[in-house]
Amino acid sequence: DTEVTQTPKHLVMGMTNKKSLKCEQHMGHRAMYWYKQKAKKPPELMFVYSYEKLSINESVPSRFSPECPNSSLLNLHLHALQPEDSALYLCASSQDGPSGARGYTFGSGTRLTVV
Amino acid sequence: GQQVMQIPQYQHVQEGEDFTTYCNSSTTLSNIQWYKQRPGGHPVFLIQLVKSGEVKKQKRLTFQFGEAKKNSSLHITATQTTDVGTYFCAGNFGNEKLTFGTGTRLTIIP
Repeated sequence: DTEVTQTPKHLVMGMTNKKSLKCEQHMGHRAMYWYKQKAKKPPELMFVYSYEKLSINESVPSRFSPECPNSSLLNLHLHALQPEDSALYLCASSQDGPSGARGYTFGSGTRLTVV
Repeated sequence: GQQVMQIPQYQHVQEGEDFTTYCNSSTTLSNIQWYKQRPGGHPVFLIQLVKSGEVKKQKRLTFQFGEAKKNSSLHITATQTTDVGTYFCAGNFGNEKLTFGTGTRLTIIP
């Protein structure tokens, strides 16, 4: 299995809703990431998990809450989001971090719309 | 902050023409990676460059890393319609982060 699987593919939520994005990989990668990508912009790093521990939080608002239940799973819990949070949320994994020769493997993303 | 800029932002080429995108950092990079994102898709890893002055080739794609490890380029020879997409460089500044460049969107005129 050489894929990163993200669910759901699309999500529409109200500003008072609570929802979760899920990400799964079975490649044995030790690092997992959440990126946010707005239209026609590059992916922006949100969180880095290394060996299931949060190692980087890029000053992301607390309405985004990451969780890494085990080495294969990564969740992003969403609460009280704003319309400007609408974006493509990408999960990625890597064996060797940003210095690895095999790069990051990205999932196909969750397209989030906040209404 | 640590930023990675790319030029041009957009490039429209006739099918069969060559294409080049340039990536620049204000500070030295540990390594640089290149990704391709098709319209409606997700980034797909192409290659990593680590050494000063390194040149790598993948079929019609040639990647270079500058001597000072602050810039990089991707050159595509004889573009095809399958080359359509946005090409991102992504730099590592020696920490746990991979910072994506601003990207170059390539469109092909058949």
